[in-house]
Amino acid sequence: AQSVTQLDSQVPVFEEAPVELRCNYSSSVSVYLFWYVQYPNQGLQLLLKYLSGSTLVKGINGFEAEFNKSQTSFHLRKPSVHISDTAEYFCAVRLRNAGNMLTFGGGTRLMVKP
Amino acid sequence: DVKVTQSSRYLVKRTGEKVFLECVQDMDHENMFWYRQDPGLGLRLIYFSYDVKMKEKGDIPEGYSVSREKKERFSLILESASTNQTSMYLCAAKEQDYGYTFGSGTRLTVV
Repeated sequence: AQSVTQLDSQVPVFEEAPVELRCNYSSSVSVYLFWYVQYPNQGLQLLLKYLSGSTLVKGINGFEAEFNKSQTSFHLRKPSVHISDTAEYFCAVRLRNAGNMLTFGGGTRLMVKP
Repeated sequence: DVKVTQSSRYLVKRTGEKVFLECVQDMDHENMFWYRQDPGLGLRLIYFSYDVKMKEKGDIPEGYSVSREKKERFSLILESASTNQTSMYLCAAKEQDYGYTFGSGTRLTVV
């Protein structure tokens, strides 16, 4: 079975600073990878996804992520954060050719300070 | 884009009550899911359904059941609510591009 680990439960950062949210997964087969964002009192919104092709994926709101197969990682980055990026971020994986279920990490709370 | 609607944003129920959480999608997607979200644990899959009247247990089905009588509606049922079921519940429908669309969530408090 696959699993997802988000190494940081909280990441405080100052406005306009760069940020990286880490995600590692374990799976014996190939996967699809996703990052979701949850703003306070809302559901989850898709930020970006990796299905195939280029390992650098660009998403909404200036976020990007890089798939590293050898390190089984899919870290999320933004070069300059805004106060409005304060939210919880979830990494998720889904097995290729095997069902429709997403497995989520525990989440990382990004706190952007002025 | 798929729209997923959860009928209640906040619910307060008493221990032992039977609780229904409703979820409706506005597209013709077969796959729908119920997750619960707890701090530090991320989202955990309770049940999912891949078609009308079809259901599969997820990782934490104990204490829950589901109903899917029509393709657009997927209901989560707490047969006898307990305080450890206090949580945020999220419904999702699978889109064609492999991702999910989530509802806004129902925050359930069992007292």
